[in-house]
Amino acid sequence: DAGVIQSPRHEVTEMGQEVTLRCKPISGHNSLFWYRQTMMRGLELLIYFNNNVPIDDSGMPEDRFSAKMPNASFSTLKIQPSEPRDSAVYFCASSLTGPTEAFFGQGTRLTVV
Amino acid sequence: KNEVEQSPQNLTAQEGEFITINCSYSVGISALHWLQQHPGGGIVSLFMLSSGKKKHGRLIATINIQEKHSSLHITASHPRDSAVYICAVAGGTGNQFYFGTGTSLTVIP
Repeated sequence: DAGVIQSPRHEVTEMGQEVTLRCKPISGHNSLFWYRQTMMRGLELLIYFNNNVPIDDSGMPEDRFSAKMPNASFSTLKIQPSEPRDSAVYFCASSLTGPTEAFFGQGTRLTVV
Repeated sequence: KNEVEQSPQNLTAQEGEFITINCSYSVGISALHWLQQHPGGGIVSLFMLSSGKKKHGRLIATINIQEKHSSLHITASHPRDSAVYICAVAGGTGNQFYFGTGTSLTVIP
């Protein structure tokens, strides 16, 4: 398996534009996580899916952020409209349900100018 | 208030030294993870612990559930060990991590 695949690796966009980040989890994993990493706040959980259903979205900053998981092999994180303070590295991770090892994607470095 | 505290925040060591990074947490957990993040940003899972001790090569991780404390040890450190080491605790039923702020390790040749 190629691991967790995120795209794009880098995204530069103008303030106000819509941004869509994509994630393909490891085949067979039924839990998927979106994390955000900034210098100020470190790594934070944004949202957690189990069997394609959002379980915990309490970390989603505000209504500008939305995440979907239409099937077991694909998830998106959308920011609309984007703001400079959204600039961060966004990581997707997947795992099996329960306390098991989590596998991280390479991350998407988002810069909003 | 941080649910997970790591120390030290920064650490510089000479090649060959024994290194210890500490992690304390305040929440109930199902497991504790040690993660490694190299410059360039990729995050790799090193260990997942729910009790006792695990060893992988030169890396050893221990956890004391009663004291809510874990340590990551690196024996015979090498410059390629230079990275940020992050402690993450998993609460609930999955890997909804609470992260420590990370320990930035630099090993000098």
